[in-house]
Amino acid sequence: QVQLQESGPGLVKPWETLSLTCAVSGDSISNYYWSWIRQPPGKGLEWIGYLYHIGSTHYNPSLKSRVSMSVDTSKNQLSLQLSSPTAADTAIYYCARERLSSGWYYGAFDIWGQGTMVIVSS
Amino acid sequence: QSALTQPASVSGSPGQSITISCTGTSSDVGSYNYVSWYQQHPGKAPKLMIYDVSNRPSGISNRFSGSKSGNTASLTISGLQAEDEADYYCSSYTRTSTRVFGGGTKLTVL
Repeated sequence: QVQLQESGPGLVKPWETLSLTCAVSGDSISNYYWSWIRQPPGKGLEWIGYLYHIGSTHYNPSLKSRVSMSVDTSKNQLSLQLSSPTAADTAIYYCARERLSSGWYYGAFDIWGQGTMVIVSS
Repeated sequence: QSALTQPASVSGSPGQSITISCTGTSSDVGSYNYVSWYQQHPGKAPKLMIYDVSNRPSGISNRFSGSKSGNTASLTISGLQAEDEADYYCSSYTRTSTRVFGGGTKLTVL
């Protein structure tokens, strides 16, 4: 049974970098595409970007200048970094696995972590 | 990229059927059969209900079905049950290989 667990500081100051990790258990991180998705309080879902174990990444154009994703295959975990956060980045952050469709990955998120709430405030 | 358009809310009585629409553009929904639907209960992570427009993952009730016509995808829930009350989100693959979500629809079971 594949499980994802996000972790990171619940409170981030605007001059810091928002850094989160997602630990994957039950399967190798090398086998799928992995996305980060966020949800501001009371609002909808926003796709942040995806990464593949070989280091391939693709980001939401609206966040591209501030986002960085990486993978540590030895720890079977993903990382997300968001620079220069503002109050607008306050949200629940989820990591999610993309399932294979028609032989590749096209954004069907079949496994989600429980999410971690991050508040950006001085 | 712009979010896909969903109605803010829909409602129905137990046993009835409801349909939630998800309108995109020729750059996403209209060009690819890679539309997914998610159910989210309060305080919980989203759950995949439909993928590739009309496919159900293992364990999802056949009361949930999906379809697409042009730039609009739809989720239909038949035989509404109290437990179906939740927020529903659509998402689509896009021409630039990004993923985009809809704004979400709150389903109320009367």
